[in-house]
Amino acid sequence: AQKVTQAQTEISVVEKEDVTLDCVYETRDTTYYLFWYKQPPSGELVFLIRRNSFDEQNEISGRYSWNFQKSTSSFNFTITASQVVDSAVYFCALSELTGANSKLTFGKGITLSVRP
Amino acid sequence: DTGVSQDPRHKITKRGQNVTFRCDPISEHNRLYWYRQTLGQGPEFLTYFQNEAQLEKSRLLSDRFSAERPKGSFSTLEIQRTEQGDSAMYLCASGAHRTSTDTQYFGPGTRLTVL
Repeated sequence: AQKVTQAQTEISVVEKEDVTLDCVYETRDTTYYLFWYKQPPSGELVFLIRRNSFDEQNEISGRYSWNFQKSTSSFNFTITASQVVDSAVYFCALSELTGANSKLTFGKGITLSVRP
Repeated sequence: DTGVSQDPRHKITKRGQNVTFRCDPISEHNRLYWYRQTLGQGPEFLTYFQNEAQLEKSRLLSDRFSAERPKGSFSTLEIQRTEQGDSAMYLCASGAHRTSTDTQYFGPGTRLTVL
Protein backbone atom coordinates (compact mmCIF):
# COMPACT_ATOMS: atom_id res chain seq x y z
CA ALA A 1 0.00 0.00 0.00
CA GLN A 2 1.13 3.51 -0.67
CA LYS A 3 1.97 5.90 2.15
CA VAL A 4 3.17 9.49 2.51
CA THR A 5 4.89 10.67 5.66
CA GLN A 6 5.35 14.30 6.58
CA ALA A 7 7.17 14.01 9.89
CA GLN A 8 7.21 17.74 10.60
CA THR A 9 3.81 18.89 11.87
CA GLU A 10 4.41 22.59 12.51
CA ILE A 11 7.21 24.92 11.46
CA SER A 12 7.56 28.56 12.44
CA VAL A 13 10.06 30.89 10.79
CA VAL A 14 10.70 34.58 10.58
CA GLU A 15 10.12 36.28 7.26
CA LYS A 16 13.02 36.01 4.78
CA GLU A 17 14.27 32.76 6.30
CA ASP A 18 14.58 29.71 4.07
CA VAL A 19 12.52 26.69 5.08
CA THR A 20 12.45 23.07 3.87
CA LEU A 21 9.38 20.86 4.16
CA ASP A 22 10.14 17.14 4.15
CA CYS A 23 8.17 14.39 2.44
CA VAL A 24 8.93 10.66 2.43
CA TYR A 25 6.81 8.20 0.48
CA GLU A 26 6.32 4.46 0.15
CA THR A 27 5.10 2.66 -2.94
CA ARG A 28 5.57 -0.69 -4.64
CA ASP A 29 5.10 0.78 -8.09
CA THR A 30 7.94 1.86 -10.31
CA THR A 31 5.73 4.43 -12.03
CA TYR A 32 4.09 7.05 -9.87
CA TYR A 33 3.56 10.78 -9.47
CA LEU A 34 4.33 13.06 -6.56
CA PHE A 35 2.57 16.31 -5.79
CA TRP A 36 2.69 19.27 -3.44
CA TYR A 37 -0.42 21.26 -2.57
CA LYS A 38 -0.84 24.37 -0.45
CA GLN A 39 -3.90 24.89 1.75
CA PRO A 40 -4.19 28.48 2.97
CA PRO A 41 -6.61 29.42 5.78
CA SER A 42 -9.41 29.78 3.22
CA GLY A 43 -9.31 25.99 2.86
CA GLU A 44 -8.91 25.48 -0.88
CA LEU A 45 -6.09 23.15 -1.91
CA VAL A 46 -3.83 24.88 -4.42
CA PHE A 47 -1.73 22.76 -6.77
CA LEU A 48 1.98 23.60 -6.70
CA ILE A 49 3.89 20.89 -8.55
CA ARG A 50 3.67 17.42 -10.09
CA ARG A 51 6.66 15.15 -10.62
CA ASN A 52 6.79 11.71 -12.25
CA SER A 53 8.98 8.92 -10.96
CA PHE A 54 11.22 8.95 -14.04
CA ASP A 55 12.23 12.57 -13.68
CA GLU A 56 14.63 13.19 -10.82
CA GLN A 57 15.68 16.62 -11.94
CA ASN A 58 15.26 19.26 -9.31
CA GLU A 59 12.85 22.03 -10.14
CA ILE A 60 12.84 25.70 -9.29
CA SER A 61 9.92 28.06 -9.65
CA GLY A 62 10.59 31.51 -8.27
CA ARG A 63 11.17 31.17 -4.53
CA TYR A 64 10.05 27.52 -4.58
CA SER A 65 12.29 24.54 -5.29
CA TRP A 66 11.80 20.80 -5.08
CA ASN A 67 14.34 18.06 -4.51
CA PHE A 68 13.28 14.56 -5.63
CA GLN A 69 15.53 11.66 -4.59
CA LYS A 70 14.33 8.16 -5.47
CA SER A 71 17.19 6.59 -3.51
CA THR A 72 15.73 7.93 -0.27
CA SER A 73 12.08 8.06 -1.45
CA SER A 74 11.93 11.73 -0.63
CA PHE A 75 10.41 14.75 -2.34
CA ASN A 76 11.33 17.80 -0.30
CA PHE A 77 10.10 21.34 -0.83
CA THR A 78 12.13 24.47 -0.07
CA ILE A 79 10.82 27.99 0.16
CA THR A 80 13.55 30.60 -0.14
CA ALA A 81 13.18 34.00 1.51
CA SER A 82 9.82 33.08 3.06
CA GLN A 83 7.00 35.61 3.19
CA VAL A 84 3.99 35.97 5.45
CA VAL A 85 1.76 34.93 2.52
CA ASP A 86 3.49 31.54 2.54
CA SER A 87 1.74 30.74 5.82
CA ALA A 88 -0.44 27.72 5.11
CA VAL A 89 -0.66 23.96 5.46
CA TYR A 90 1.41 22.14 2.86
CA PHE A 91 0.55 18.63 1.72
CA CYS A 92 2.66 16.12 -0.14
CA ALA A 93 0.72 13.50 -2.11
CA LEU A 94 1.38 10.36 -4.14
CA SER A 95 -0.53 8.92 -7.08
CA GLU A 96 0.04 5.39 -8.35
CA LEU A 97 -0.91 4.34 -11.84
CA THR A 98 -2.97 1.30 -10.97
CA GLY A 99 -5.98 1.01 -13.20
CA ALA A 100 -7.78 4.12 -14.34
CA ASN A 101 -7.98 5.83 -10.96
CA SER A 102 -5.15 8.17 -10.15
CA LYS A 103 -6.42 8.89 -6.66
CA LEU A 104 -4.12 10.79 -4.36
CA THR A 105 -2.72 9.58 -1.06
CA PHE A 106 -1.87 12.57 1.12
CA GLY A 107 0.43 13.06 4.06
CA LYS A 108 -0.91 14.71 7.20
CA GLY A 109 0.40 18.11 6.19
CA ILE A 110 2.86 20.61 7.62
CA THR A 111 1.59 23.86 9.09
CA LEU A 112 3.99 26.65 8.16
CA SER A 113 3.79 29.94 10.01
CA VAL A 114 5.87 32.82 8.72
CA ARG A 115 6.16 35.68 11.22
CA PRO A 116 6.88 39.24 10.11
CA ASP B 1 -10.86 29.38 -16.93
CA THR B 2 -13.42 28.74 -14.18
CA GLY B 3 -12.18 26.55 -11.38
CA VAL B 4 -13.95 23.82 -9.45
CA SER B 5 -16.91 25.11 -7.48
CA GLN B 6 -18.74 23.51 -4.57
CA ASP B 7 -22.04 24.31 -2.95
CA PRO B 8 -22.81 24.95 -0.16
CA ARG B 9 -19.58 26.13 1.42
CA HIS B 10 -20.86 25.40 4.91
CA LYS B 11 -23.60 23.11 6.17
CA ILE B 12 -24.79 22.65 9.73
CA THR B 13 -27.24 19.85 10.33
CA LYS B 14 -28.67 17.79 13.12
CA ARG B 15 -27.79 14.16 13.58
CA GLY B 16 -30.05 11.92 11.55
CA GLN B 17 -30.77 14.44 8.79
CA ASN B 18 -29.81 13.93 5.16
CA VAL B 19 -27.50 16.35 3.38
CA THR B 20 -26.48 16.77 -0.26
CA PHE B 21 -23.46 18.56 -1.64
CA ARG B 22 -22.81 19.65 -5.20
CA CYS B 23 -19.59 19.90 -7.16
CA ASP B 24 -19.12 21.57 -10.54
CA PRO B 25 -15.80 20.54 -12.09
CA ILE B 26 -13.69 22.44 -14.59
CA SER B 27 -15.73 22.18 -17.77
CA GLU B 28 -13.39 20.11 -19.96
CA HIS B 29 -12.40 17.69 -17.19
CA ASN B 30 -13.80 14.18 -17.44
CA ARG B 31 -12.51 12.92 -14.09
CA LEU B 32 -14.05 13.89 -10.79
CA TYR B 33 -12.98 12.91 -7.28
CA TRP B 34 -14.44 13.30 -3.80
CA TYR B 35 -12.23 13.45 -0.72
CA ARG B 36 -12.93 13.94 2.97
CA GLN B 37 -10.64 15.92 5.27
CA THR B 38 -10.90 15.92 9.05
CA LEU B 39 -9.13 18.35 11.34
CA GLY B 40 -5.37 17.96 11.34
CA GLN B 41 -5.36 15.32 8.62
CA GLY B 42 -4.76 15.20 4.92
CA PRO B 43 -7.63 14.57 2.52
CA GLU B 44 -8.75 10.95 2.15
CA PHE B 45 -10.12 9.52 -1.08
CA LEU B 46 -13.83 8.68 -1.13
CA THR B 47 -14.85 8.01 -4.72
CA TYR B 48 -13.99 8.65 -8.34
CA PHE B 49 -15.91 9.21 -11.58
CA GLN B 50 -14.77 9.05 -15.14
CA ASN B 51 -17.46 10.82 -17.11
CA GLU B 52 -20.72 9.53 -15.60
CA ALA B 53 -19.33 6.18 -14.45
CA GLN B 54 -18.43 5.73 -10.79
CA LEU B 55 -15.34 3.56 -11.08
CA GLU B 56 -14.10 3.27 -7.53
CA LYS B 57 -15.38 3.73 -4.00
CA SER B 58 -13.28 3.77 -0.87
CA ARG B 59 -14.08 1.57 2.10
CA LEU B 60 -14.56 4.88 3.92
CA LEU B 61 -17.75 5.34 1.94
CA SER B 62 -20.37 3.58 4.04
CA ASP B 63 -23.77 2.67 2.64
CA ARG B 64 -25.12 5.96 4.02
CA PHE B 65 -23.06 7.77 1.39
CA SER B 66 -23.98 7.93 -2.27
CA ALA B 67 -22.50 9.90 -5.12
CA GLU B 68 -23.73 10.55 -8.62
CA ARG B 69 -22.58 12.26 -11.76
CA PRO B 70 -25.61 11.84 -13.99
CA LYS B 71 -24.50 13.54 -17.18
CA GLY B 72 -20.78 13.47 -16.69
CA SER B 73 -20.73 17.09 -15.61
CA PHE B 74 -21.62 18.13 -12.04
CA SER B 75 -21.65 15.61 -9.21
CA THR B 76 -23.60 15.27 -5.98
CA LEU B 77 -22.60 13.59 -2.74
CA GLU B 78 -25.42 12.64 -0.40
CA ILE B 79 -25.09 11.54 3.19
CA GLN B 80 -28.13 9.92 4.73
CA ARG B 81 -28.85 9.76 8.47
CA THR B 82 -25.85 11.91 9.31
CA GLU B 83 -23.73 11.10 12.35
CA GLN B 84 -21.41 13.34 14.34
CA GLY B 85 -18.46 11.44 12.90
CA ASP B 86 -19.43 12.72 9.45
CA SER B 87 -18.36 16.23 10.45
CA ALA B 88 -15.52 17.10 8.08
CA MET B 89 -14.55 19.10 5.02
CA TYR B 90 -15.73 17.44 1.82
CA LEU B 91 -13.50 18.27 -1.10
CA CYS B 92 -14.14 17.79 -4.79
CA ALA B 93 -11.41 17.70 -7.40
CA SER B 94 -11.42 17.35 -11.17
CA GLY B 95 -8.83 16.33 -13.69
CA ALA B 96 -8.44 15.73 -17.41
CA HIS B 97 -7.20 12.30 -18.45
CA ARG B 98 -4.90 13.24 -21.25
CA THR B 99 -1.94 11.13 -20.21
CA SER B 100 -1.50 8.26 -17.86
CA THR B 101 -2.43 10.40 -14.90
CA ASP B 102 -3.94 13.78 -14.26
CA THR B 103 -3.31 16.72 -12.01
CA GLN B 104 -6.29 17.20 -9.73
CA TYR B 105 -7.61 20.68 -9.14
CA PHE B 106 -9.62 21.17 -5.98
CA GLY B 107 -12.67 23.17 -5.13
CA PRO B 108 -13.06 25.23 -1.95
CA GLY B 109 -14.79 22.40 -0.12
CA THR B 110 -18.00 22.04 1.85
CA ARG B 111 -17.57 22.09 5.60
CA LEU B 112 -20.14 19.86 7.28
CA THR B 113 -20.95 20.15 10.97
CA VAL B 114 -23.28 17.55 12.45
CA LEU B 115 -24.73 18.56 15.81
